[in-house]
Amino acid sequence: DAGVTQSPTHLIKTRGQQVTLRCSPKSGHDTVSWYQQALGQGPQFIFQYYEEEERQRGNFPDRFSGHQFPNYSSELNVNALLLGDSALYLCASSLESQGLYGYTFGSGTRLTVV
Amino acid sequence: KQEVTQIPAALSVPEGENLVLNCSFTDSAIYNLQWFRQDPGKGLTSLLLIQSSQREQTSGRLNASLDKSSGRSTLYIAASQPGDSATYLCAVTPRDFGNEKLTFGTGTRLTIIP
Repeated sequence: DAGVTQSPTHLIKTRGQQVTLRCSPKSGHDTVSWYQQALGQGPQFIFQYYEEEERQRGNFPDRFSGHQFPNYSSELNVNALLLGDSALYLCASSLESQGLYGYTFGSGTRLTVV
Repeated sequence: KQEVTQIPAALSVPEGENLVLNCSFTDSAIYNLQWFRQDPGKGLTSLLLIQSSQREQTSGRLNASLDKSSGRSTLYIAASQPGDSATYLCAVTPRDFGNEKLTFGTGTRLTIIP
């Protein structure tokens, strides 16, 4: 049973560029959440997608956007990249949108902005 | 606003010792608390999920307790091994409809000395 899969694993981009990260949830899960984790910090919530809609959003600028597809997979898009966007981006999936049964995380995408 | 704290930030213990990691949270209105393990540069691995109605959960050498009224959780690791070296993160799911984003502490970096 495949867990949460994220692609790519590593990415290097230049300031001002745009990037798209991808996530496939664990089988049977319908909700996807995205987190940003800076070095030495706990993950910070970006947003959550359920039924192809953004259900919750953290304190991130509009440069961060997302999408959920009918098969529950999701994309995170970041426009106009800043050096400060360099981080590990984690995707988590859950059985339902309230997290009543916990979350399963992927291995993350390491984004470096130069 | 829910805040999660983990103290100490780092801990080193000799192999074979039993140890306790601490987690505290400010708002007792939670659905559950989850402990995760994170190896350097990697994603999160779920260790234990405790629902708000439960007092503890056990998995192998790990035991997690929850005291919701005092806003505390502990993760007990028995007979520590070098392979237990990692960062341990706790996270709570707030009981706040439409705002159930998983909220993390900053983690405890554990080193087991052979």
